Parts: sequence; C-alpha cells; structure tokens
Amino acid sequence: DAGITQSPRHKVTETGTPVTLRCHQTENHRYMYWYRQDPGHGLRLIHYSYGVKDTDKGEVSDGYSVSRSKTEDFLLTLESATSSQTSVYFCAISLQDWDTEAFFGQGTRLTVV
Amino acid sequence: GESVGLHLPTLSVQEGDNSIINCAYSNSASDYFIWYKQESGKGPQFIIDIRSNMDKRQGQRVTVLLNKTVKHLSLQIAATQPGDSAVYFCAESSGGFKTIFGAGTRLFVKA
Repeated sequence: DAGITQSPRHKVTETGTPVTLRCHQTENHRYMYWYRQDPGHGLRLIHYSYGVKDTDKGEVSDGYSVSRSKTEDFLLTLESATSSQTSVYFCAISLQDWDTEAFFGQGTRLTVV
Repeated sequence: GESVGLHLPTLSVQEGDNSIINCAYSNSASDYFIWYKQESGKGPQFIIDIRSNMDKRQGQRVTVLLNKTVKHLSLQIAATQPGDSAVYFCAESSGGFKTIFGAGTRLFVKA
C-alpha cells in the first residue's frame, strides 16, 4: 500500500489515557494527513502536514494533536482519550497538495472503553 | 453547507453486468473529483479522478462521468467481477486541503 505503515493496527484503551498513533511512509511524500472514519460519515480530516514541523488543523481536530519531526513520520496523539474518539483512523500521503490522488494506510482501529 | 453524498447506499449486481454508482456534490467551486474503493479491513484505494474541465474519463473497466450542471458524478464499472465488491466513495476538492468525502456505497457482486 504505497509504502505506508500505520501502527498499531488495533488498540483498546481506557478513557482518559493518552494514545499515540504512528504513520510511517517510505515514499518521501511531502503531504501527510490523519483522517477518522465513522459509520455514516465520510472520511473526516483531523490534521494534516505540509512539511517537517509544518502542521495544521482539519475539520475535527479537537482533542487531537500531531507532530512531524521527520518527513517519513506523522504522529497523532489523543491527549486524553474519550469514547467519542472510538473510530478507525487512516493516515494518507500525497505528493502534491490535495488536487492529486492520496494513498492511504491500512488503518488503525481504536476503541476507547 | 458543503456536502458530498451518494444516492444508493447499497448496490447489488450480477457478475458480468455493468455497475453504476452515483454521487451528488454541492460545492460548485469543486474542481477535482476522485473515486475511491475500500475493501473490508483496508484503506481506501484510488480508482480514478476527473477535473472539472472534463465530462468523462475512462480507465481500465471504469469510467467516471461528471455533470456540472446538476452537480452529479458517477462511476461506471464494466463487466463487474466478484473482486469489485467493496465500498466506493467519491470525494470533491476545491483545492488546498479542502476535500470532502462521501459516506460510501457498498457494492455487492453476485456470482
């Protein structure tokens, strides 16, 4: 899948605990994104990055933070997980900004209990 | 507000028949449209895209049609195969990081 690895693939965590999801790419693409996918909704953008240390908020950024210290890694952190953050999280990369196809990782299924 | 939707949440077709999946969009400023396929347990996979200066674009067994007058997008799959069973969703973009994804249509292919 276009050299994108998400880890972990599955995680169950308790409410109030911090969680970090990792996205690693081997494509050297400039742009990276975190989405969440919930039943009845299309993919919703949480945060995106347009370069090392360059990030910005997406549509549903509350409760999430990101970091990108290297081109290949984009981390998503839930500072204090809540049940509403139970979802499937996808990382995506693209070579240019959004007027081009995106490549998605396999997803991380996160359950907050 | 801006939205991307699908007319049919579930579509069942016979193997070998053609499939048509529809999508409506509401932002007239959108100039780039994409169809993705998502198989169970996997991430979305790019199928085909089209820009607003085109009405039709063909790929391998797939065709995307864009009707800007009625803000409608469709994906046609020729000679549908069991491996085509998946969720298909469209996305619209007006540039930058403003992409909106539809919720998806599940395609079932009956053998």
